[in-house]
Amino acid sequence: EDQVTQSPEALRLQEGESSSLNCSYTVSGLRGLFWYRQDPGKGPEFLFTLYSAGEEKEKERLKATLTKKESFLHITAPKPEDSATYLCAVQAGTYKYIFGTGTRLKVLA
Amino acid sequence: EAQVTQNPRYLITVTGKKLTVTCSQNMNHEYMSWYRQDPGLGLRQIYYSMNVEVTDKGDVPEGYKVSRKEKRNFPLILESPSPNQTSLYFCASSFEGLVYNEQFFGPGTRLTVL
Repeated sequence: EDQVTQSPEALRLQEGESSSLNCSYTVSGLRGLFWYRQDPGKGPEFLFTLYSAGEEKEKERLKATLTKKESFLHITAPKPEDSATYLCAVQAGTYKYIFGTGTRLKVLA
Repeated sequence: EAQVTQNPRYLITVTGKKLTVTCSQNMNHEYMSWYRQDPGLGLRQIYYSMNVEVTDKGDVPEGYKVSRKEKRNFPLILESPSPNQTSLYFCASSFEGLVYNEQFFGPGTRLTVL
């Protein structure tokens, strides 16, 4: 069964304290892995797409990496405005998407 | 402004009363999808559409119907809502469903079924 698991469920960091979020997946025929950010009361907002193992992408304080079984979202020197829920999703088969339950990140000033 | 719009944003209804949640996108996207988001379960795909008149079931299609008569619109229909359909619903669209394209999400519709 296709599955996406994110850890930890919640994470509290001090401003400037770097950390990583994990997304592990079991899926047949992975077509792409996606990271989204979701603020309270809003729809998810796209961050990254990763296609193949070894790929890395960066955007400001965020860096996403992909292996054959998991992806990491590294947050370097986070700021309070980085507080949000981060969602991982995989495109399985052709048109279906499977999302993880997310990591709720709180960055304290 | 490129966007996905949903209406209504909030809805309280009673069991069995048919309702429709509309979704519209102005980006000429081929692929559209509906999700529900529940605490502890994350986003789950209900239905998706690869193009006009082409739809298919996601992981949780029971109790829902969709149609795609125009490229820009993808309404979600609950013919006989039940309390277990109380949830936060998101519509999303992307340029093309087969190639790993990012999805653009609407603002969400919070549905309560009493």
